[in-house]
Amino acid sequence: DAGVIQSPRHEVTEMGQEVTLRCKPISGHNSLFWYRQTMMRGLELLIYFNNNVPIDDSGMPEDRFSAKMPNASFSTLKIQPSEPRDSAVYFCASSLLDTSQHFGDGTRLSIL
Amino acid sequence: DQQVKQNSPSLSVQEGRISILNCDYTNSMFDYFLWYKKYPAEGPTFLISISSIKDKNEDGRFTVFLNKSAKHLSLHIVPSQPGDSAVYFCAATRLSDSWGKLQFGAGTQVVVTP
Repeated sequence: DAGVIQSPRHEVTEMGQEVTLRCKPISGHNSLFWYRQTMMRGLELLIYFNNNVPIDDSGMPEDRFSAKMPNASFSTLKIQPSEPRDSAVYFCASSLLDTSQHFGDGTRLSIL
Repeated sequence: DQQVKQNSPSLSVQEGRISILNCDYTNSMFDYFLWYKKYPAEGPTFLISISSIKDKNEDGRFTVFLNKSAKHLSLHIVPSQPGDSAVYFCAATRLSDSWGKLQFGAGTQVVVTP
């Protein structure tokens, strides 16, 4: 079974550049979550969608962050412009009805 | 504010012994709790969960205990094996209105030594 697929696995870019992270949830799942993991704050929920509709984006740190889910099989998290403090591992997870979320392997983002 | 807290960032245990991981929460509305395990360069994977109507749930070597009055849960791994070396995250949610939204703790790094 294909799990949650994230791309790229690693991204290194200079500050000020636009960064786009991509996620393909498990087919049939109706909820999608974006998390950020840092040493200081652990796993933080940034935004989540249900049936492609954003439900809660209160975790999005700033207006520089935006997320979209144009269809049930694809979501993006965009940072524009990026800053060094955005460096972290970003995870996407999906679930169906229950709360056992399935995570992708993450995108390790480094902003120089 | 951190509603789920794992106050021990790391734990070292000998192979064959019991590992006990602790987790505290502040929101009394939480009614479902989960543990996730994470290996380096991989995403967290679901390990075990417990509903607030129970005080214990067991799955093989893994047992989760819930003390609602103390707002405390723990994960017991017995016997510990080298493959259990990972970061363990505690998570909590309110099933009725959260669409599956989880609040995670900061994680505990477990190292199982031979």
